[in-house]
Amino acid sequence: QSVLTQPPSVSGAPGQRVTISCTGNSSNIGAGYAVHWYQHLPATAPKLLIYGNNNRPSGVPDRFSGSKSGPSASLAITGLQAEDEADYYCQSYDNSLSESRVFGGGTKLTVL
Amino acid sequence: QVQLVQSGAEVKNPGASVKVSCQASGYTFTAYYMHWVRQAPGQGLEWMGWINPKSGRTNYVQKFQGRVTMTRDTSMSTIYMELRSLGSDDTAVYYCAREQEDDAFDIWGQGTLVTVSS
Repeated sequence: QSVLTQPPSVSGAPGQRVTISCTGNSSNIGAGYAVHWYQHLPATAPKLLIYGNNNRPSGVPDRFSGSKSGPSASLAITGLQAEDEADYYCQSYDNSLSESRVFGGGTKLTVL
Repeated sequence: QVQLVQSGAEVKNPGASVKVSCQASGYTFTAYYMHWVRQAPGQGLEWMGWINPKSGRTNYVQKFQGRVTMTRDTSMSTIYMELRSLGSDDTAVYYCAREQEDDAFDIWGQGTLVTVSS
């Protein structure tokens, strides 16, 4: 069971907007630690999508955005495209376990 | 360019050990913490621990303590992850990843498949 909770799956039609939630607690997201998001396509390495709650690395389209409020964070994807179909993971720092990093369980995005 | 290149796939018997390497290039090796993350079949990403390439200091997830050792060779810009007493539930793809300043993992290795089977 993951420390950060994500929905197992979300779906949307091309062009639509979807959001993926990530819920933590007072030891991680709720303590003010940054949330990062990764896109993971089959047989490839995970790719950093959003860092520091709402920042995009160079090359990531502005269709992807992140937000954070209290112990939760969200990833929003607008203008959904077929190539966005992937697994998405949130990640943060947890101070209840010595200098630990924690991941969400992952969310499978299906583009209908 | 900045990249992490991992060693090739391994097949091990239960009870054996495996040592996976991850060679960095394109940046100052000692300037960034390095992490190991694994993904078992059908499962999510699981953080295993980190190593400070400059000092060699390590920090492991409690479930792996006593069974994992992370080391580095600064002359080769390479980190290593050794996992001992392998069981079938250690079958996974193991990734190394570089941590940028705000603890996000910005660069990942291509992954190493470790299969534990008799």
